[in-house]
Amino acid sequence: NAGVTQTPKFQVLKTGQSMTLQCAQDMNHNSMYWYRQDPGMGLRLIYYSASEGTTDKGEVPNGYNVSRLNKREFSLRLESAAPSQTSVYFCASKLLAGESGTDTQYFGPGTRLTVL
Amino acid sequence: AQKITQTQPGMFVQEKEAVTLDCTYDTSDPSYGLFWYKQPSSGEMIFLIYQGSYDQQNATEGRYSLNFQKARKSANLVISASQLGDSAMYFCAMRESTNDYKLSFGAGTTVTVRA
Repeated sequence: NAGVTQTPKFQVLKTGQSMTLQCAQDMNHNSMYWYRQDPGMGLRLIYYSASEGTTDKGEVPNGYNVSRLNKREFSLRLESAAPSQTSVYFCASKLLAGESGTDTQYFGPGTRLTVL
Repeated sequence: AQKITQTQPGMFVQEKEAVTLDCTYDTSDPSYGLFWYKQPSSGEMIFLIYQGSYDQQNATEGRYSLNFQKARKSANLVISASQLGDSAMYFCAMRESTNDYKLSFGAGTTVTVRA
């Protein structure tokens, strides 16, 4: 099993360009998440999908859109990239939508995005 | 308001010694879960340990243990017998049922293990 995979690993964009970050999981998980990580700020939730067919905003959704394409795939789109979106982006997945003890989130390897 | 506070930006520890990483949390939800993740320099996030709010005993996983003090809203991670491979950033996180089971992360603590 590959777990959670993300593409691309690195990306450089110019201000105003658009791009889509891809995420896929092969663990049959129901919930999927997109985070961004900035120095000194930990991980902040951008969007999440509690189950296939649903998406909701997290803490910092402005400038992003998401698509839960199917149970396996959850993409993050930057329509018009800005330098403030320079960050490391992590996708994560979790088996259940709700609470269940040690049911934790599993993370992908991350995408380093630089917007010039 | 900050839900998770990690007050130690960086720490040094001697190999084979124990180190405690502080984490305090803020919630009014009676049901919540607390997690610790490790992020080595390679960047991936690795789950270490979990503590449920109703768990009577402190969680342990190998060399990791969680010192859970519910009344103080504290969930400190203890790493015993530190190894060079423990050098990494460590994040405390909380999941609340009233927050749709999303994870809230602290800012992290960088641990450097010295030989």
